[in-house]
Amino acid sequence: NAGVTQTPKFQVLKTGQSMTLQCAQDMNHEYMSWYRQDPGMGLRLIHYSVGAGITDQGEVPNGYNVSRSTTEDFPLRLLSAAPSQTSVYFCASRKYAGTGLEQYFGPGTRLTVT
Amino acid sequence: AQSVTQLGSHVSVSEGALVLLRCNYSSSVPPYLFWYVQYPNQGLQLLLKYTSAATLVKGINGFEAEFKKSETSFHLTKPSAHMSDAAEYFCAVSHSGGSNYKLTFGKGTLLTVNP
Repeated sequence: NAGVTQTPKFQVLKTGQSMTLQCAQDMNHEYMSWYRQDPGMGLRLIHYSVGAGITDQGEVPNGYNVSRSTTEDFPLRLLSAAPSQTSVYFCASRKYAGTGLEQYFGPGTRLTVT
Repeated sequence: AQSVTQLGSHVSVSEGALVLLRCNYSSSVPPYLFWYVQYPNQGLQLLLKYTSAATLVKGINGFEAEFKKSETSFHLTKPSAHMSDAAEYFCAVSHSGGSNYKLTFGKGTLLTVNP
């Protein structure tokens, strides 16, 4: 198993540009989520999905869109990038929502918006 | 609602010394508790978890944590620090049931190990 994969590893955008961060998992996990990590802030939940076709907002959803058309993929879209979105983005998955099961993390995407 | 407080954003120990990283949580229902480690420029890796079984939980790399309900704490310890333990550590809380699917993280504690 590859686990949770993310592409790209690094990205530089100009203000106003759009892009999609890709996330895929090959563990047949129902639950997937996106976090952003900023210095001194820990990880903050952006959006999550409890299954294909079902998504919901986390604590910092503004400026981001998600969709979940398949179990495997959970892309994160930045519609109009802003410098405040400069961050490291992590995708994570676990087998089921609402349990004590381990959450697996991807290696992250480091995004800089100039 | 649930929250996590990690006391000390930066802890520095000497190699061979005790490691103690503090985590306090709040949760209105019995929690699941996790410790994750993040090495530089990498993703998060699970160290250990508490899911209402034994209150003393052993994890990887010699780490362990004790769940103390009366103190709402889940502190992480290791008897003897190694240089390879230098990393950032995150405590996280979740709970089962209802519509709560959220894993809430603390702000992290950066562990430095001095030779």
